[in-house]
Formats: sequence, structure tokens, C-alpha cells
Amino acid sequence: LAKTTQPISMDSYEGQEVNITCSHNNIATNDYITWYQQFPSQGPRFIIQGYKTKVTNEVASLFIPADRKSSTLSLPRVSLSDTAVYYCLGDSGVEVRTYKYIFGTGTRLKVLA
Amino acid sequence: EAQVTQNPRYLITVTGKKLTVTCSQNMNHEYMSWYRQDPGLGLRQIYYSMNVEVTDKGDVPEGYKVSRKEKRNFPLILESPSPNQTSLYFCASSSAGGRNEQFFGPGTRLTVL
Repeated sequence: LAKTTQPISMDSYEGQEVNITCSHNNIATNDYITWYQQFPSQGPRFIIQGYKTKVTNEVASLFIPADRKSSTLSLPRVSLSDTAVYYCLGDSGVEVRTYKYIFGTGTRLKVLA
Repeated sequence: EAQVTQNPRYLITVTGKKLTVTCSQNMNHEYMSWYRQDPGLGLRQIYYSMNVEVTDKGDVPEGYKVSRKEKRNFPLILESPSPNQTSLYFCASSSAGGRNEQFFGPGTRLTVL
């Protein structure tokens, strides 16, 4: 069973870059790594997804090393509105995808003025 | 507008009174899933469905039932609710082809007295 591990919480100041790392030692070989953002009492919202190396979109970058045992979500120049819980998500399968997903407890990011 | 809808958004009920939480998506997604979210435990998957008439258990299926008779709908049924099922419930959908991006509904806050 694949499990994800993230820091429980992080604090940052407005304008700083924030990096949140997730470890997923047993990720399935054909699985993508996906990150979500969740505000209180709302459903999670997709941020970014990748398979390996680096992926960038308009809100974040995702760095995945060659061994794929971890991934780092990078949020450039955070603002107060980025205060949220961030989850990395993987399939629970070890070698083969199962479509059963494990969210973990997420990282609570607090952005300070 | 592409979306996942859930009803009701809030529900207070009593132990043992059967209830159904509906979920509907308008994106023609094959994959649908139910999660519950409890403080300190993150999101946990209850049931998922790969397509019509294909459902399977997630991590915490006890006390729940689901059905997938139509592609767009995936109701969650609690035959005999108990207080430990008090939680925030989210429905999600995604296309099944390879990637994990899931679209989440707004959530249903259930209280069982």
C-alpha cells in the first residue's frame, strides 16, 4: 500500500516562495503525482500534476526526482489567499494502479502578512 | 458549467434513519468517488466507481452503500446511520484514462444524533 507523508504545517510570509515536500516511497510505476488545495469547508481543488522531472503551470511548479519517491510543490510569491491545506495524492497501489486513493492529512500552510 | 453537485449540503438526522446523499456530475466522467473528512484524519475514501454498475470499496466502506446505475449519478446511502458517521462528505469525479485530476463537489455536512 502506497502512503504519502507531508509536514503537518508550515508558516510563511507574503511574497516568499513556499516549498512543500511529500514522500511516497511505494508509488505505482504508472501513477501520476497530484496536488490539491483545500480551503475550510470546501472541496479540494486540483493544483498541479506530474509524472517526473518538472511541471509548471500558472499557479505552481512541481518537482519530481528520477526515483519518484518524493515530490515538491513550489508556490512562488505566496499571498494571504494561499492559506489553505495542501495534499499530495497518490494511488494506493504499489506497482499497479488500483484507483483507490490516499490523501493523507495534508500540510496546513499559513501565510502571514 | 462543469461541476459536481451534492444534495443536501447540510443534514441533521437521528440514529437509524436511512438517508441518501446524492451526487451528480455533468462532465461525462467515468470515475466517481466518495470521501469523508474528519478533523485530524484528512480525507478518506469510502467507495469508488470506475463506470456504470462497477463499484468497489475504499478505505472506510463500513456502514455505507453506493450504486451507479447512471454515469452521471453516484448516490451514497446510509442504511442505518450512527453518530460515528457524523462527518463532512465529498463526492468527486474524474475521467478514468490515466490521470488523477478529480473534481470535487461542495460537500455535505452530516450530523447524526
